[in-house]
Formats: sequence, structure tokens, C-alpha cells
Amino acid sequence: IAGITQAPTSQILAAGRRMTLRCTQDMRHNAMYWYRQDLGLGLRLIHYSNTAGTTGKGEVPDGYSVSRANTDDFPLTLASAVPSQTSVYFCASSDLEGADTQYFGPGTRLTVL
Amino acid sequence: GQNIDQPTEMTATEGAIVQINCTYQTSGFNGLFWYQQHAGEAPTFLSYNVLDGLEEKGRFSSFLSRSKGYSYLLLKELQMKDSASYLCAVRDKDYKLSFGAGTTVTVRA
Repeated sequence: IAGITQAPTSQILAAGRRMTLRCTQDMRHNAMYWYRQDLGLGLRLIHYSNTAGTTGKGEVPDGYSVSRANTDDFPLTLASAVPSQTSVYFCASSDLEGADTQYFGPGTRLTVL
Repeated sequence: GQNIDQPTEMTATEGAIVQINCTYQTSGFNGLFWYQQHAGEAPTFLSYNVLDGLEEKGRFSSFLSRSKGYSYLLLKELQMKDSASYLCAVRDKDYKLSFGAGTTVTVRA
């Protein structure tokens, strides 16, 4: 059981470049989420999707976009990367039922120079 | 929105007990989660409370008081592998999680 996979594991990117972080889950969960984690700030929600075809903005959406064409995939795109987007990015998913526990992918460490 | 506070760091001895407190202010409470995160890894689910009281899972227990906006995670019989960050997260009515900054627990021999 893979759960949630993310790619790439890490990336160094020049400022101004476009970058897409990939996230795939095989648990058939309805909801998917993107967080960024910065030292001392904890996890902050960037965007989310409660079901395929719908997306919503989280706490820190500026500079990021997402799409949810199907249940399994939820890519995060940085249209023009800036150094303040240097962070560790985690994708998560949940089934929106019962306890609705979120399960996290292994993360992508992104450095924007 | 949510305002979630937890201590930054705690240190304890192997075999001891540590209690990590979490206080929150919320506009719509719908459950509280604790996650464990080892350095360089993803957060993993530990516990969930939505009603007042204590939930016990082996060496880990979590307590919730909704009227006080307070929770704690109790780690018993500490082992070296318990050295990690522990994240308190509050869920709102829209099923969105807000996380505290995390408490780094260091277990010493």
C-alpha cells in the first residue's frame, strides 16, 4: 500500500521559474490538501480539494495554484517561484467521513534561489 | 480562525512521563488531533478527540476539555524513539485543520 506519494523529493529552483509539485494517493480519499511547513510556524494550509473538480483556498494561497482533475492526483503549481516559497511541502488526504484523519505524504523540500 | 499554543521544547528521561499541553481559541471546534513528526519525515497520526475526556492508546493518551479550550498528550514509559515533534491540530466546522507550531521532545538516556 503506497498511500500518498510526492515528487520530487527535493528541488532547487531559480527564482522566476515555474514548478509543479506532484501528489498522488491510492486510498480513494475524497479530500486532498497542500501544506507548507516552515521552522517555527508549523503546517499552514495552502489549497485544498474536497472532491474531484473542486478546489479551495487555504491560509496562504498566494503564488500557488492547484487542480483536481481526478480523485487520485492533486498537483501544486508555483507559476513564478520566489525565495519566500522555500519550504517543505506536504500533501495530505482524508476521506471526509468519521474522524476524517488526514494522512500525509513524505514531503518535497523546495529551495528557491 | 484558530489560535493554537503549545510549548516549543521539552526534555525528559528515558522511562519517564511527559505531558504536552495545547491550548486553542477557535471560531468553530470540530475535533482535535495529535500528530508525531520525526525530523525529516511526514507527520503521522497519533490521536483524535472530539468529546471531553481521555483517549488511551498504549503508551500515548490524549485528553480534551472543550470548555477550557485545552488538550494534552501524555507520553508514558518514554523511549529514545519518542524523540520527535508533536503537533496539536484543531479542526473547524469546514473540516480544515489548523496546526500549532509543534513541541520538540528530546528523550535522554
